[in-house]
Amino acid sequence: KAGVTQTPRYLIKTRGQQVTLSCSPISGHRSVSWYQQTPGQGLQFLFEYFSETQRNKGNFPGRFSGRQFSNSRSEMNVSTLELGDSALYLCASSLFGADTQYFGPGTRLTVL
Amino acid sequence: QQQVKQSPQSLIVQKGGISIINCAYENTAFDYFPWYQQFPGKGPALLIAIRPDVSEKKEGRFTISFNKSAKQFSLHIMDSQPGDSATYFCAAGSGYSTLTFGKGTMLLVSP
Repeated sequence: KAGVTQTPRYLIKTRGQQVTLSCSPISGHRSVSWYQQTPGQGLQFLFEYFSETQRNKGNFPGRFSGRQFSNSRSEMNVSTLELGDSALYLCASSLFGADTQYFGPGTRLTVL
Repeated sequence: QQQVKQSPQSLIVQKGGISIINCAYENTAFDYFPWYQQFPGKGPALLIAIRPDVSEKKEGRFTISFNKSAKQFSLHIMDSQPGDSATYFCAAGSGYSTLTFGKGTMLLVSP
């Protein structure tokens, strides 16, 4: 089975711009979760989608949004980028949520 | 708030030694406790997981010890090797909630 794929792997943006990240889960997985990882902050949960519905949401501002398509692929969008948004954004897929999550390699976002 | 507290933040162990990382949780509804291993430049990967119906689970050199009454669980890495140097995350979850992760432990195994 192919693993979780994320595109792009690296992104450089400037403050004020917006960005869209993509995640393709493992085939058959219906839950997709997004995390922001920064040094010292660990894995901070952004949101989780299950069958095209946002089921769980972390404590992030509304600039962070996401969606899931009928094929379970997911995108997350960050609008009006800030320097503090520089991070590794990880996507993880699982069968139903709080079971084994399989992570992608992440998208490294740098905001200048 | 559903939290998982992980300690220590960093750990240095000599080759051949035992690495021990601890986690404590608050939500008694949690019924799934995985540990993830992350190497630089990679996403976290599942290492080992336990459910509360057992107190210990061993896979090779990796063991999870689980204390339901204390709401604590720990990862033991026996005969630690330099290749084990990585960041380790504990997590907890239940049902259809998402996993809650600890803040991670950077392990360095010195040769």
